[in-house]
Amino acid sequence: EPEVTQTPSHQVTQMGQEVILRCVPISNHLYFYWYRQILGQKVEFLVSFYNNEISEKSEIFDDQFSVERPDGSNFTLKIRSTKLEDSAMYFCASTSTGGGLMNTEAFFGQGTRLTVV
Amino acid sequence: ILNVEQSPQSLHVQEGDSTNFTCSFPSSNFYALHWYRWETAKSPEALFVMTLNGDEKKKGRISATLNTKEGYSYLYIKGSQPEDSATYLCAFMGAAGNKLTFGGGTRVLVKP
Repeated sequence: EPEVTQTPSHQVTQMGQEVILRCVPISNHLYFYWYRQILGQKVEFLVSFYNNEISEKSEIFDDQFSVERPDGSNFTLKIRSTKLEDSAMYFCASTSTGGGLMNTEAFFGQGTRLTVV
Repeated sequence: ILNVEQSPQSLHVQEGDSTNFTCSFPSSNFYALHWYRWETAKSPEALFVMTLNGDEKKKGRISATLNTKEGYSYLYIKGSQPEDSATYLCAFMGAAGNKLTFGGGTRVLVKP
């Protein structure tokens, strides 16, 4: 069964360092997303990506964050200068249809746990 | 700010018993309500995508109902089994865009 894969599963980084979280969405999917969950809080939306550009982003997704789909298969989230408060589980997701989440479920990866020390 | 709430936060269920829990969401600008099942160390897995008021969906022993006018959805588990132990997340999609706003989840533990 097709699945969304994320690497690494766990990353520890020093405050101020850049990190890149990687995702391979399901191959024929059209919409891609990043969500995160800070420990003890709700899962929250970061950004959606469609047709090779950001379609929507949340207030959290400031200039420190960027996304790209460099080669048509990988979908990456970069945090330029990590802060302690960036520590969270980061989830990648994708959906298959042009109607996006109104018609179909999102398929999530297992997440990358980012710990900023 | 959209408010999506789930209750209870956690519940313990005896194997074989049935249970249900709630998701409340804004009743205006409703597009869809998603339910996901999330086991520890695994990916959240979709259970249902519900779009119409009065929708009832079923997958095995798990079913869900939707009331968009009053802004709530119930998830039911019939005859709970230990493998039903997981966190159940609801997520709202509104007119604000193609994204999900999640509730805090209901953590279900089924005791043998």
